Amino acid sequence: GAVVSQHPSWVICKSGTSVKIECRSLDFQATTMFWYRQFPKQSLMLMATSNEGSKATYEQGVEKDKFLINHASLTLSTLTVTSAHPEDSSFYICSARSFRDNSYNEQFFGPGTRLTVL
Amino acid sequence: ELKVEQNPLFLSMQEGKNYTIYCNYSTTSDRLYWYRQDPGKSLESLFVLLSNGAVKQEGRLMASLDTKARLSTLHITAAVHDLSATYFCAVGSNYQLIWGAGTKLIIKP
Repeated sequence: GAVVSQHPSWVICKSGTSVKIECRSLDFQATTMFWYRQFPKQSLMLMATSNEGSKATYEQGVEKDKFLINHASLTLSTLTVTSAHPEDSSFYICSARSFRDNSYNEQFFGPGTRLTVL
Repeated sequence: ELKVEQNPLFLSMQEGKNYTIYCNYSTTSDRLYWYRQDPGKSLESLFVLLSNGAVKQEGRLMASLDTKARLSTLHITAAVHDLSATYFCAVGSNYQLIWGAGTKLIIKP
């Protein structure tokens, strides 16, 4: 149980294009999904928290117009990197928190998406 | 503001040896997590620690939590090469996780 998938797993795109990353909870409903970014040899950096049906809450320093987050259903959240540039190249990881009583407040992580912008 | 510090950041050791990774946090929290990350991969949940004195063991890894000292340890017993990875601790703050910097562990045969 508690499986989270991400798609695509790896994407290479040209500078100026937009890239959409999907995060799905496969066997549970997720009230809250989190988007993280990880640079090589660094820890995870929380970008935003998204709740189903409402606007995402972005962390300080994260441009909401650059990183568009949509959480349209209890099993799907998408992150769109708009007008991507080489500095957006990174490993993006989503996680999901279960809708049901989750006394651990545990997050379940997707496998990650490696974005390379040329 | 909750801060999480891991120590050491990098560790190279030989197979068969024991070692402990430390995770200190600055304010009260009711839960602490340990994760493993292999290169190029996402995070694998290892342990969830919820109460003072909690101790959990899985194979050669054992995690403990001292909420009074705001300290968690991840102890590696008789290390094997397969345990080479980066280990993160994370502390719960409301619905978010505050992350340590990670400990890169290399175990040499």
